[in-house]
This record gives sequence, C-alpha cells and structure tokens, in this order.
Amino acid sequence: DVKVTQSSRYLVKRTGEKVFLECVQDMDHENMFWYRQDPGLGLRLIYFSYDVKMKEKGDIPEGYSVSREKKERFSLILESASTNQTSMYLCASRTPDIQYFGAGTRLSVL
Amino acid sequence: GQQLNQSPQSMFIQEGEDVSMNCTSSSIFNTWLWYKQDPGEGPVLLIALYKAGELTSNGRLTAQFGITRKDSFLNISASIPSDVGIYFCAGLRSGGSNYKLTFGKGTLLTVNP
Repeated sequence: DVKVTQSSRYLVKRTGEKVFLECVQDMDHENMFWYRQDPGLGLRLIYFSYDVKMKEKGDIPEGYSVSREKKERFSLILESASTNQTSMYLCASRTPDIQYFGAGTRLSVL
Repeated sequence: GQQLNQSPQSMFIQEGEDVSMNCTSSSIFNTWLWYKQDPGEGPVLLIALYKAGELTSNGRLTAQFGITRKDSFLNISASIPSDVGIYFCAGLRSGGSNYKLTFGKGTLLTVNP
C-alpha cells in the first residue's frame, strides 16, 4: 500500500511565526503535491514538485514556499503565518495516474 | 482553467437508500477518480476509471466513465452510516510530461440511521 505521512495532524501557531509542514512518502514517487482545503472551495493546489530540488507553483502559491531536498520528503513552509492561512493542508504523491493523500494537517493560526 | 461541476453539493439520506452523484466538465479527461474523505482525514481513493464507457464496482460502490469523456457518475447502494463523508471526483488529463488533476468541490453525504 502507498503510504503518505504528514508529520502533524493538528498545529496551532501564532501570526508571524514560521511554520513547517512535513510530508513523507514511501513509494519512490517523483511527483509530490501540497493542497489546502477550505469549506466551499474544495482542494486548491499550492505547489508541486516533479523531482528533487524541482518545484512548480500551483494555483495559490502566495504566502507559501516549498522544499524538496530528498525524493521522499516534501515540505511546505509558511514564512510568516497569517490568520487567512488557517486551513486543512493535504500532501499527496502520485503514480502515473493516481494521487494518494496523507491524512492532512489542520493548521490554526491565531 | 478547467472546472468540474460536482452535484449535488450535499445529500441527507436514510440508511438503506441508494445514492447517486455526478461530475461534469466542458473538457475531456483521460482518467476519472473518485475519492472519499472521512471527517478529519485525507481523501482515500475509491475507484479509478480509465476508459470511456467503463463501469467499475467496488463493493456497494459503482462508478462509470461517461461515453463523452466529460462526465462520471458514482452510485452507492444500500447506504450505511459509515458512508458518511465527502465524496470527490477528479479528472485527469495527462500526456508526456503534462499532468493536471482537477477536483470537483465534493458531495457531502449524511446518512441517518
């Protein structure tokens, strides 16, 4: 079974803090993704990576950056967290056709 | 950009009833995926469809890849309380290095015991 693991299920941070969300996959997938999920807006792609050290902006990259130093790990970084970044964050990796998701990190920024 | 129209947005049904939901698009897709998301969890793949007209079952779930390649349907028969959650469709266009997965906004299913 494909396993995508997000390091934290719940996080509470303060405005202005630097936040790291970590994701690890165990299937040697080249492509990994970060989404945020908000009620009524569905899943929105923040960034994706198609190889180590490679990254591409998704639909809503503003306020975020990413890091992919190793193939199995893809990190999402909030340089200075803001309250409008309170959301559910989902990491995914993919086979040629299918994306597999982690359990999600629910981030609250106070 | 591409959009998927998923309907209904939400459903409230009694245990034992059958459920139908669908996704439509103005664009053609190569693959259709259906996911379920339990409250507080990530989406889990239910069914993948690869060919126009394909009908695939997974237990009480049945999904179809529309013949026009612009739509897909998911049916749940004899619903049970653990069917509660959000169901997402996703359409994939891929070719060479181009990969784009587009999600519907989900159908929230509530099952009353």
